[in-house]
Amino acid sequence: DAEITQSPRHKITETGRQVTLACHQTWNHNNMFWYRQDLGHGLRLIHYSYGVQDTNKGEVSDGYSVSRSNTEDLPLTLESAASSQTSVYFCASRQDTTYNEQFFGPGTRLTVL
Amino acid sequence: DAKTTQPPSMDCAEGRAANLPCNHSTISGNEYVYWYRQIHSQGPQYIIHGLKNNETNEMASLIITEDRKSSTLILPHATLRDTAVYYCIVSNQGGKLIFGQGTELSVKP
Repeated sequence: DAEITQSPRHKITETGRQVTLACHQTWNHNNMFWYRQDLGHGLRLIHYSYGVQDTNKGEVSDGYSVSRSNTEDLPLTLESAASSQTSVYFCASRQDTTYNEQFFGPGTRLTVL
Repeated sequence: DAKTTQPPSMDCAEGRAANLPCNHSTISGNEYVYWYRQIHSQGPQYIIHGLKNNETNEMASLIITEDRKSSTLILPHATLRDTAVYYCIVSNQGGKLIFGQGTELSVKP
């Protein structure tokens, strides 16, 4: 079955380190998204991509970057991790821009000490 | 994207219908109403969406008022597994999903 996976599921890192969170989907979806969710809050959009070589900033993009070199993957990089980036990160994908059903991964819990 | 207003929490007895309201008074003509839910720390899950007509699928029904300023998600026979946070989102087709605080639904035995 097609799916969307995230790795690692849990990560502890130190302030100032570079961290990359992986997102892989096997639906061949063009659109992919990264969200963060802080305790007791809804999801906030970090970055998104509508296709290979396309990336766009969301509402909370500072301190994060993404790259899209193929259809299946959208890695999220924290260039210099900060304690404020401690959060749960969700990746999602959807087929295209004509339909807004997004499929979400299981999440990555990141702790920055 | 239009904003939505939902009650922060609701309770429902197991086996009864759960009716979750959502106000979206500033919705535009080309914006759809989407419902997602998030079960304890899992990724959100799509439930249903609609433009102006009522919609039903295997999970739920969506009732949208004629003026489109509010809607109700109906889970016809709630089970304990329906305990989750439910998000009402209005969005263009292809637009970004803006998640609010949602409604925390507790289904009780």
